Amino acid sequence: GNSVTQMEGPVTLSEEAFLTINCTYTATGYPSLFWYVQYPGEGLQLLLKATKADDKGSNKGFEATYRKETTSFHLEKGSVQVSDSAVYFCALSDRGGATNKLIFGTGTLLAVQP
Amino acid sequence: DAGITQSPRHKVTETGTPVTLRCHQTENHRYMYWYRQDPGHGLRLIHYSYGVKDTDKGEVSDGYSVSRSKTEDFLLTLESATSSQTSVYFCAISESSAGGSNQPQHFGDGTRLSIL
Repeated sequence: GNSVTQMEGPVTLSEEAFLTINCTYTATGYPSLFWYVQYPGEGLQLLLKATKADDKGSNKGFEATYRKETTSFHLEKGSVQVSDSAVYFCALSDRGGATNKLIFGTGTLLAVQP
Repeated sequence: DAGITQSPRHKVTETGTPVTLRCHQTENHRYMYWYRQDPGHGLRLIHYSYGVKDTDKGEVSDGYSVSRSKTEDFLLTLESATSSQTSVYFCAISESSAGGSNQPQHFGDGTRLSIL
């Protein structure tokens, strides 16, 4: 079945450091891929998405490229801020699946220190 | 922000009691979902709905039932709550897919449920 694997956290960085959170997936066909962010005490917010191979999703300085050859969708940011501290979830959805059901990774906690 | 309201936001109850959580949307989206979030598991789908009175099971549906009598409301019921159902519950909504491209889900702020 389909699955998503994320690097385990917590990831602790100093402000302005470069961020990479690894995400790989297993899926039949060509899924859509998403990154969600969850701030403390809140629900998940869509951060970015990509719907086909080689697409790059970007938002708020974060980027991720859909790599079909390596089945990966790694999240990157060039310079993190304290306000980026949150839990990040990678997720996939069966492309063309009518119900838009998501399969999530277990989440990666990012802590950015000033 | 998507118009999604979950109620209650917090609840403490005892084992064996029935519990109903409500999700209300103002977006007129077709699809609604209930997830639970537990440490080490990410989010897991409990049930989802693809229209009024149309629902289906997710990966962790045992012990839960749902109902959707109106487009805007999706109810999750624990008929007889157990301590293993202590969790944070999230509702999500999404529009119909278009052109084979998946639509993202939008989430409510969650309900923290403790079963003693």
